[in-house]
Amino acid sequence: GAVVSQHPSRVICKSGTSVKIECRSLDFQATTMFWYRQFPKQSLMLMATSNEGSKATYEQGVEKDKFLINHASLTLSTLTVTSAHPEDSSFYICSAEHAGANYGYTFGSGTRLTVV
Amino acid sequence: DQQVKQNSPSLSVQEGRISILNCDYTNSMFDYFLWYKKYPAEGPTFLISISSIKDKNEDGRFTVFLNKSAKHLSLHIVPSQPGDSAVYFCAASVIQGAQKLVFGQGTRLTINP
Repeated sequence: GAVVSQHPSRVICKSGTSVKIECRSLDFQATTMFWYRQFPKQSLMLMATSNEGSKATYEQGVEKDKFLINHASLTLSTLTVTSAHPEDSSFYICSAEHAGANYGYTFGSGTRLTVV
Repeated sequence: DQQVKQNSPSLSVQEGRISILNCDYTNSMFDYFLWYKKYPAEGPTFLISISSIKDKNEDGRFTVFLNKSAKHLSLHIVPSQPGDSAVYFCAASVIQGAQKLVFGQGTRLTINP
């Protein structure tokens, strides 16, 4: 089945530094990937839609200069949290769409970011 | 504006009984619905889906029912097993649109032995 690998699974960084999160589709090509964040006991909130070879589409309220998304190939999308602050601490999850029988969206395992 | 709502934050069910998780939506443009299961610190795992042309879809112990007129869907798990304990999210999308998912808040299901 379709597998999405997300790395790292956990990262702790100092305030003001940048963190890059990678999302790879291992056995299929993903023209479109999605980035979500989840605060404790809350829903997954879509941050942006990442399209291969073009600029990402950000949801309202998401700072595109802070959350840089690059989708340079059909199997890799990256999310860079720039100048991270403690309020950016969250669980970030990527997903990739694949046109399987159930129009599936396969999710990565998530990245727990803690900014200290 | 919460377009997809799961009004029960938690549900506790006895092992072997039926678990029923509910989800309501407000956007009539949604025409594809999915249920995901999520463990802490992991990504969601796809369970089952249903398109708006159907009112029921079944896969093993999992059945999803869709009532379009009421904008309501439910996930039935029978019989419930301890391994079903997790947070369940319903999600909705518009197939012809940007195909992004809108999630409910999740329901924590606990199966008691």
